[in-house]
Amino acid sequence: KQEVTQIPAALSVPEGENLVLNCSFTDSAIYNLQWFRQDPGKGLTSLLLIQSSQREQTSGRLNASLDKSSGRSTLYIAASQPGDSATYLCAVRPEGFQGGSEKLVFGKGTKLTVNP
Amino acid sequence: GAVVSQHPSRVICKSGTSVKIECRSLDFQATTMFWYRQFPKQSLMLMATSNEGSKATYEQGVEKDKFLINHASLTLSTLTVTSAHPEDSSFYICSARDPRGWQETQYFGPGTRLLVL
Repeated sequence: KQEVTQIPAALSVPEGENLVLNCSFTDSAIYNLQWFRQDPGKGLTSLLLIQSSQREQTSGRLNASLDKSSGRSTLYIAASQPGDSATYLCAVRPEGFQGGSEKLVFGKGTKLTVNP
Repeated sequence: GAVVSQHPSRVICKSGTSVKIECRSLDFQATTMFWYRQFPKQSLMLMATSNEGSKATYEQGVEKDKFLINHASLTLSTLTVTSAHPEDSSFYICSARDPRGWQETQYFGPGTRLLVL
């Protein structure tokens, strides 16, 4: 059974700092991995999606890496801003018949606070 | 990106009543939609997969007679929580799979906060 763990559960940093969020998964048979942002009481916004064959994806100040064999992914946020404050969720899509399974398995998230 | 809406965003109801939550894909046709539940400080947990024109597929431990799912059109799925109880209070989020493009990305709605008194 696939399990996704995110460390740390919460992180507080001063504005401008670079930071890394960690995600680990127990089964390396994944189709892709996705990082989401969730603001309080809101839905999910997709940040980055990494296919199983890829090593990293970048979007602006965000960089996500994937080491499938070791079951790890990191989300790097450069020059953090107060507006980055949110909960960041990691989700894996397991391999399935003829592609990825429909089911996403989520971690519990890392709550990030960037202080001005 | 694609847009998925949910209605209502927040609902408070008395124990024993039924509540219907709508999920709509606004700019694409979604043959498959998903319903998740999120308790405070917990992961999103998939409840069921909603397929247009057929019965939903429920995850283990989710009561299909309590959580009724209807996916009558390519842009609308509904989740009805029947005879709601306080333990059903949670944040319910739907997602819709966009079949366009090879990644078949899931887009998430803004969620519905349910409070059962």
